[in-house]
Amino acid sequence: AQSVTQLDSQVPVFEEAPVELRCNYSSSVSVYLFWYVQYPNQGLQLLLKYLSGSTLVKGINGFEAEFNKSQTSFHLRKPSVHISDTAEYFCAVIRSGGYQKVTFGTGTKLQVIP
Amino acid sequence: EAQVTQNPRYLITVTGKKLTVTCSQNMNHEYMSWYRQDPGLGLRQIYYSMNVEVTDKGDVPEGYKVSRKEKRNFPLILESPSPNQTSLYFCASSLGGGFGNQPQHFGDGTRLSIL
Repeated sequence: AQSVTQLDSQVPVFEEAPVELRCNYSSSVSVYLFWYVQYPNQGLQLLLKYLSGSTLVKGINGFEAEFNKSQTSFHLRKPSVHISDTAEYFCAVIRSGGYQKVTFGTGTKLQVIP
Repeated sequence: EAQVTQNPRYLITVTGKKLTVTCSQNMNHEYMSWYRQDPGLGLRQIYYSMNVEVTDKGDVPEGYKVSRKEKRNFPLILESPSPNQTSLYFCASSLGGGFGNQPQHFGDGTRLSIL
């Protein structure tokens, strides 16, 4: 079985400050990892994904994430946030190799303060 | 325009009255999936489908049924809805290879309230 933990349910941060949203996963096999963003009253949009290769992954809107296998983490970062980044962010994991059951974390609400 | 369309967007109904939430995609995607979103629990996968006539359970399939008779449609059926199925539901689709290799496209959600 696989699981995802997002320890921070809410993260307030001032505009133009850096932010890190934490994601830890558990799996007995290798996995693919994802970050999705959900703006109010909308569905989810893919921010970035890690399948293999370089552990530093760059996504849309200036976000990046680093896969750390030893710490089983996939934290999301942005060096300078904007008001428009206010949203809920979800980390997700799926077992690599074609197995299609996906597990999401409980989400982190990022609130950017002007 | 590429999209995943869910209907209805909002529904209030009563316990035990069968309902169907439709999901349709116009991208010729093989993979489709249903999720429910609840506060503090994130998204949980209900069912997914790898292709026509191929479906499998996610983490929370109890009380739900699905069918995939056509590639573009993946309806979610609640045969006898109960209040604990009050939630926000999302349908999603992606190209072949499923979630792992292709980005998921999400619908705008269906908010169900069961009294």
